[in-house]
Amino acid sequence: QSALTQPPSASGSPGQSVTISCTGTSSDVGGYNYVSWYQQHPGKAPKLMIYEVTKRPSGVPDRFSGSKSGNTASLTVSGLQAEDEADYYCSSNAGSNNLVFGGGTKLTVL
Amino acid sequence: EVQLVESGGGLVQPGGSLRLSCAASGFTFTNYAMSWVRQAPGKGLEWVSVISGNGVTTYYTDSVKGRFTISRDNSKNTLYLQMNSLRAEDTAVYYCAKRPDYSITWYCFDYWGQGTLVTVSS
Repeated sequence: QSALTQPPSASGSPGQSVTISCTGTSSDVGGYNYVSWYQQHPGKAPKLMIYEVTKRPSGVPDRFSGSKSGNTASLTVSGLQAEDEADYYCSSNAGSNNLVFGGGTKLTVL
Repeated sequence: EVQLVESGGGLVQPGGSLRLSCAASGFTFTNYAMSWVRQAPGKGLEWVSVISGNGVTTYYTDSVKGRFTISRDNSKNTLYLQMNSLRAEDTAVYYCAKRPDYSITWYCFDYWGQGTLVTVSS
């Protein structure tokens, strides 16, 4: 199973919005509504930010939102804050009880 | 409070074996599928394996099939990963992770351990 494709980096200034893409195929992202997004700060474990494409766990700010169109899912962070600077990973089930992650995107708050 | 604490990592030679453990607390362990996810140094996340709550059903990523075995002891609230025939490319931080209450599938994880580092090198 191949990793999902994410841009290596993204950036924005405080208060701005930034969108990170996650491109797969019809066998993973496009075929199911089980895309998740994780935030990972250096040296820390990942934190679930979005699950099932658009749902936000309790405690995650509503500045974080998810969407999907065809084989590409997206994470949008609105009103960027300094603490949003981190690595972000998408994941999707890939059928046959497989789970695949994206390569990760380093988000820089300028 | 949910806690997941991994242990058992270390330095092992290529071809060697290692068993990782993940001690769980703060939730009814047997009710949740549990996974192992790894992260090579400076690299992205990779799902490794999942086991159902009752331990009957297991799945693996292709690269570890036949070499790794996931298991659990629900009486001890502990998850395991037996790793045999280790290769340099297995070097990574290994995390155990739990399915959320609010998800009916195991495809996402709301709690992660702190990770344990496995280094495969001669």
